Amino acid sequence: SQQGEEDPQALSIQEGENATMNCSYKTSINNLQWYRQNSGRGLVHLILIRSNEREKHSGRLRVTLDTSKKSSSLLITASRAADTASYFCATASQGGFKTIFGAGTRLFVKA
Amino acid sequence: GAVVSQHPSRVICKSGTSVKIECRSLDFQATTMFWYRQFPKQSLMLMATSNEGSKATYEQGVEKDKFLINHASLTLSTLTVTSAHPEDSSFYICSARSPSGGGETQYFGPGTRLLVL
Repeated sequence: SQQGEEDPQALSIQEGENATMNCSYKTSINNLQWYRQNSGRGLVHLILIRSNEREKHSGRLRVTLDTSKKSSSLLITASRAADTASYFCATASQGGFKTIFGAGTRLFVKA
Repeated sequence: GAVVSQHPSRVICKSGTSVKIECRSLDFQATTMFWYRQFPKQSLMLMATSNEGSKATYEQGVEKDKFLINHASLTLSTLTVTSAHPEDSSFYICSARSPSGGGETQYFGPGTRLLVL
């Protein structure tokens, strides 16, 4: 990817389990965002975390940010089959204007 | 939230023809829009930044004569794939940065799937 890597590349879990996805990036950032993309569809913005924040919650989503390690994680609790999608982190660099995407994690939640 | 539309949603064309894709911000003015390209099972790759009233800024490796970008107004940017070839087949997604909320959030269009035969 242009910015960094995500792991795992693919994740398969049972409904009700938690799913954790990690993202690493290369440059200093202003903020980091997570998006969801269903197969062949557009992007859905999930959550934004700023560089001075360490953790953020939104419903069943929990995002952490460690700027010293240039990494972030997305936790989806009590997963549902409808959470099956690809998840991407994206970073906006400090002083920059562009948003660059990570490689993405393909999540499959089995009912 | 803000809405960004793309047209067409899907296009099939013959090799050698040119294809124009429109990106519109429906309820806000966007001085800057972005064009991404996504191959199957891969991430979004930023192609270019579209600036209203000025030339687009292309990422390294993106041919500006191949992918013509015009940002004619504060709500419309167009991407024209010139002399399209099968390797140009891809999912093209635009986005626009909304001025609200400090301009931190980008809103993405639903994408245009291009198939070049």
